[in-house]
Amino acid sequence: DSGVTQTPKHLITATGQRVTLRCSPRSGDLSVYWYQQSLDQGLQFLIQYYNGEERAKGNILERFSAQQFPDLHSELNLSSLELGDSALYFCASSGTGTSGKNTGELFFGEGSRLTVL
Amino acid sequence: AQKVTQAQTEISVVEKEDVTLDCVYETRDTTYYLFWYKQPPSGELVFLIRRNSFDEQNEISGRYSWNFQKSTSSFNFTITASQVVDSAVYFCALSDVQGGSEKLVFGKGTKLTVNP
Repeated sequence: DSGVTQTPKHLITATGQRVTLRCSPRSGDLSVYWYQQSLDQGLQFLIQYYNGEERAKGNILERFSAQQFPDLHSELNLSSLELGDSALYFCASSGTGTSGKNTGELFFGEGSRLTVL
Repeated sequence: AQKVTQAQTEISVVEKEDVTLDCVYETRDTTYYLFWYKQPPSGELVFLIRRNSFDEQNEISGRYSWNFQKSTSSFNFTITASQVVDSAVYFCALSDVQGGSEKLVFGKGTKLTVNP
């Protein structure tokens, strides 16, 4: 158990819909990362938040957005869903501590499997 | 830009065989971290090892060992006496510290199947 909790574990929805994926990081971790894993693209970095603020952006579509709340949990919002958005979405957290420096290891949740029909 | 290449897409071995998973990386950073993660069929990503770019010592943990060679930009992973439970997808990853972030860049993964 990594200590990172993601909900829901599975989600089936239709094209054009909007969904929200939720992530609770490990206790004390300030950084949250979102990754998308699809068969053709592999593990792609989407976005990182550190203590409520966006730290880095990767290959995240404009239809997707995320935020990190004061209690440090994070949500990834996916809208106008397309068939190609079907993937496993991972959240990870890291122990950046007060220095803001990554201790090096990302702790991953079990992922949220999204199926768009 | 950071890049990780895992040239072996799939490997199949028989139990008790040794197997080496290759990882080659590209980076302009002088300080970086390399990682291996395991993704079993259940789907979660399990951390296996982190290696600092200044530490080229090989590491052994039980049946697992890692060979880091900066000269060839490689960080290979060997499983000795493989077991069926080792069947998984293994990802090599490299830290990317551009823009103040420390995200990881992953290779495409190597699917290892260990047959009884």
